[in-house]
This record gives sequence, C-alpha cells and structure tokens, in this order.
Amino acid sequence: KAGVTQTPRYLIKTRGQQVTLSCSPISGHRSVSWYQQTPGQGLQFLFEYFSETQRNKGNFPGRFSGRQFSNSRSEMNVSTLELGDSALYLCASSLAGTGNRANEKLFFGSGTQLSVL
Amino acid sequence: AQKITQTQPGMFVQEKEAVTLDCTYDTSDQSYGLFWYKQPSSGEMIFLIYQGSYDEQNATEGRYSLNFQKARKSANLVISASQLGDSAMYFCAMRELNTGFQKLVFGTGTRLLVSP
Repeated sequence: KAGVTQTPRYLIKTRGQQVTLSCSPISGHRSVSWYQQTPGQGLQFLFEYFSETQRNKGNFPGRFSGRQFSNSRSEMNVSTLELGDSALYLCASSLAGTGNRANEKLFFGSGTQLSVL
Repeated sequence: AQKITQTQPGMFVQEKEAVTLDCTYDTSDQSYGLFWYKQPSSGEMIFLIYQGSYDEQNATEGRYSLNFQKARKSANLVISASQLGDSAMYFCAMRELNTGFQKLVFGTGTRLLVSP
C-alpha cells in the first residue's frame, strides 16, 4: 500500500508569490491534515480536511488555505509569500472517525521544503 | 488545552544499548491518543508507535515500546538494541479522541545520536 505522497519535494519562491502544495493520502484515508515545521516554532497544525470540508483550523493567517477533492487528495495554498513562510510543510492522512482504534493513527508524507527568498 | 513536554534536547546511546526518550503531557480530555514519530534528516515523519488512553497494556512495535503511566501523565519511548539508523529526531505527540478531529499537538523533540 502506497504511503502519503507529497509533491513537490522542494520549492523555491520569492516574496509576494503564491505557492500550491499537493498531498495524496493513503488509499482509503478520508482525512488530510497539514502541518508547518520551522526551527523556531516547531510543528504547528494548519488545518484538517475531511470529506472535502475543512473541519478544523490552526492559528494561521488567511493567506494559508487549502482544499480537498472527492478522491481525498488535498492541496494547500499560500498567497503573498513572506520570508517567514519558509518551512517544511507536512501532510498527514488517517482513516478518521471515532470508535475504532485503526481510525486513530495518523501517517505523514515526506514533506515539501519551501524556501522563500 | 493540550501540551506535550520533551525535556531532553539530545540523547546519546551506544549501538545495541537501550534508550528511553521522555515525554510528559497535559490535557483535560478523558480520551486521547499518544504518538511517537521519528524524523530523520531527510525530513519525513515516520510513525513508530501509538497508545490510546484507554489501553491498559503498554504498546509495543518491534524494538519500540511505549511506557505509559497515566497517573504521571507520561508516555516515554523505549528503544531496545539501538541501531545506527535510529539516529534522528524523535517527536512525541497527542490528539484528543472524542471529536474525531485529527489535530496533533507535538513536543519540541529529542535528537538521538547512536554511536558505534
């Protein structure tokens, strides 16, 4: 079974540009969540999508957005990039739901390393 | 609010020895899950082990075991027979289970270095 796939692996952008990152979850997983990892702030939750709906959001500005498609694949978009947006962006997928132990685990992809110059 | 504390910024261990990475947590939730992930220098976050708060037995996955002490709110990771490939950052994380939301709260991590 293929794992969580994130593309691209590396991105270099300049301030003011926008960027779109992609995440394909493990087959059958319905929930996709996104995290930002920086040396200063560590790992922080961005948002979660389930059945094409955002159902939870972290404390990030509106420049950070995302969506989920009917096949559970997800994209996140960052507009008007700032230097501080340079980070490793990680996507995680899970079966989601409650009452079933198998639904409780989250699995991550390899991440997209974004550098903003 | 949930909080994870990892007090060991770095740990050293010799190959083939066992090592314990500390993790304490704070939550008001009655039902929660605890995770350990390994992050090598390549950046990917590798799932190691999971423990639900309802589990009475400590979780084990191969060379990894989770020493879960609910009253102390600790969830330490034990790696037996360390290997050179175990050198990486290790993160403890938790999520609440009642809502179904998949949000993880992470600790700051422990860098483990395994020497020959």
